[in-house]
Amino acid sequence: AQSVTQPDIHITVSEGASLELRCNYSYGATPYLFWYVQSPGQGLQLLLKYFSGDTLVQGIKGFEAEFKRSQSSFNLRKPSVHWSDAAEYFCAVADQTGANNLFFGTGTRLTVIP
Amino acid sequence: DAGVTQSPTHLIKTRGQHVTLRCSPISGHKSVSWYQQVLGQGPQFIFQYYEKEERGRGNFPDRFSARQFPNYSSELNVNALLLGDSALYLCASSFGLAGGFLSSYNEQFFGPGTRLTVL
Repeated sequence: AQSVTQPDIHITVSEGASLELRCNYSYGATPYLFWYVQSPGQGLQLLLKYFSGDTLVQGIKGFEAEFKRSQSSFNLRKPSVHWSDAAEYFCAVADQTGANNLFFGTGTRLTVIP
Repeated sequence: DAGVTQSPTHLIKTRGQHVTLRCSPISGHKSVSWYQQVLGQGPQFIFQYYEKEERGRGNFPDRFSARQFPNYSSELNVNALLLGDSALYLCASSFGLAGGFLSSYNEQFFGPGTRLTVL
């Protein structure tokens, strides 16, 4: 069965510092992986996705993620964090049996300090 | 273009009552999915509807039901509310079903959610 683990519940970084949010997945085949961001009072917004091909994927807002099959990981990175990046971040894996649903991790809350 | 809209924004109910949540997908989208997000957790899949038919169901009791209308809008109904049903309920729409093949994957766009509080 599909599952996603986000080991960090809460991360605090200084504005301008680099960021890495961890995500580990469990899936038998090649996974479809996603990172979403959720700001207070807002729905989930897709940052980036990985289906196949180049293991380093670029997303919106300057985010990127690297798929590492050997480590079952799909970590999200940003070289320089902005105060507006403070939000909840969710990693997700897609069910590929046609049910169209996503399995989400428990999320990582990012706090940005000036 | 309008995104996914959900109503109401907030709702307070008492145990044993029932509730109906509504979702309007992005124009042209034919699939609607519902997710439950309990505080401190990630969203959990409840239902997916495509072309008015149920195409997927998560591990939720029969107290949860949904339907999709000819205009592709959707309702989520929850009967006999429990305290544990308190959550943010998210609706997501996509053009079609997400499949197992790259060429057919359809991105899901999420609405802002309905915050349900059960007292």
